[in-house]
Amino acid sequence: GAVVSQHPSRVICKSGTSVKIECRSLDFQATTMFWYRQFPKKSLMLMATSNEGSKATYEQGVEKDKFLINHASLTLSTLTVTSAHPEDSSFYICSASISGFYGYTFGSGTRLTVV
Amino acid sequence: GENVEQHPSTLSVQEGDSAVIKCTYSDSASNYFPWYKQELGKRPQLIIDIRSNVGEKKDQRIAVTLNKTAKHFSLHITETQPEDSAVYFCAATLTGNQFYFGTGTSLTVIP
Repeated sequence: GAVVSQHPSRVICKSGTSVKIECRSLDFQATTMFWYRQFPKKSLMLMATSNEGSKATYEQGVEKDKFLINHASLTLSTLTVTSAHPEDSSFYICSASISGFYGYTFGSGTRLTVV
Repeated sequence: GENVEQHPSTLSVQEGDSAVIKCTYSDSASNYFPWYKQELGKRPQLIIDIRSNVGEKKDQRIAVTLNKTAKHFSLHITETQPEDSAVYFCAATLTGNQFYFGTGTSLTVIP
C-alpha cells in the first residue's frame, strides 16, 4: 500500500531557529500533499495544500512566511518552520493523495518542541 | 466549503458495550466518507470508509452508516475492547483529494 515517510519524528529546537520537516511518498507519486497541525486532543487543522511544481495554497490564518512549504518533486514535500517560537510547538502531520484515487495516506507525524 | 461536525467529543463505554460516533456534513456533493483512528502521538489510520452510493458497510466489529438525505454518517463499534481506546476522526470529501475532518472523538473503553 501507499506509504508516506515523515522525518524527523521528534525535534527540539531553540526559539528563533528554523526547522525543516520532510514528507516522502515511498512507493507512489503524490500529486498533492497536505500539511496539518494538531494540538493535544484536538482535530487535524489543515495548514496548506501543496501541488508538485507549484506554490502551496495556505489556509486562512496560516502565515506563509513562517511556514514555508516546498513540493519540488512528486515524492517529496517539506515544511520549514522559520524563526520558531514556543507557540509553534505542536504535532505536524503530512498526508498525500494520488490523483484520481480516493485515498489519503498520513505520515507518522513530527512532534516539534520549541524551547 | 465543506463543514464536518462530529459528536460526541468524548465517549466512555464499558468493555463489551457498543460505541456510536456521529458526523454531519454540509456539502451534499461530498461522496466519500472515511473514518480514522488515531492513537496518541501516532498517525491517523483508516479503519473504514463508505461511498455515497452505499448506505451501510461493515467490517467485523466496525460498521458505518450513511444517510445522504440527512447528510450524516455514523461509526458503530460493537463489543468494544480496551484497545479500541483512541481518538476517532470522520472526514468527508468531494474530490478524493482534499478531506475535511471532524473535530474528533476521544473514546475510552473501561475494562
